[in-house]
Amino acid sequence: NAGVTQTPKFQVLKTGQSMTLQCAQDMNHEYMSWYRQDPGMGLRLIHYSVGAGITDQGEVPNGYNVSRSTTEDFPLRLLSAAPSQTSVYFCASSLDGGGSGNTIYFGEGSWLTVV
Amino acid sequence: GNSVTQMEGPVTLSEEAFLTINCTYTATGYPSLFWYVQYPGEGLQLLLKATKADDKGSNKGFEATYRKETTSFHLEKGSVQVSDSAVYFCALGSQGGSEKLVFGKGTKLTVNP
Repeated sequence: NAGVTQTPKFQVLKTGQSMTLQCAQDMNHEYMSWYRQDPGMGLRLIHYSVGAGITDQGEVPNGYNVSRSTTEDFPLRLLSAAPSQTSVYFCASSLDGGGSGNTIYFGEGSWLTVV
Repeated sequence: GNSVTQMEGPVTLSEEAFLTINCTYTATGYPSLFWYVQYPGEGLQLLLKATKADDKGSNKGFEATYRKETTSFHLEKGSVQVSDSAVYFCALGSQGGSEKLVFGKGTKLTVNP
């Protein structure tokens, strides 16, 4: 059971480039989300999805785009990378968002540097 | 809105010392509360959770009790080990149609031999 798989693990981008962070889960979870982790800021929610075809914005959505065409996959797109998007990105999945006490499972993270 | 406040680190302890990491929350309704741990270079793992008032979550020697009267969920361990060195996050799971976790800023713990 692979759980939540993120790729790539490390990436360096130039300002203005675009890229997609991939996320896949094999637990048949409806709820998937993307967080970014910055020093002293904890984890902040970028976008989330409560099922295929449904997405919504989190706390810090600007500069990012998502889609959810299947239950398994939830890619995060950086449209035009900026140095402020240098961060560690985590994908997560769960049966719901955590309000019912269900565990949220995290991927191992993607370290992104924008120069 | 919902929020979580946890004590700022870093926290440095000697092996076998007692650990407390404070966490308080602000929320409407009856949220679920979690502690997640992040070991160096890894993603977050669930450490323990509690879903209603007075519940005690426990795992790997760590404990936390859901105190509604003080809106707190403090993490404790009686005797820490070097392998407990990590970043610990308190989190709140809200309910009511917008279910997503709200995290504290994290507390870095270093345990020295």
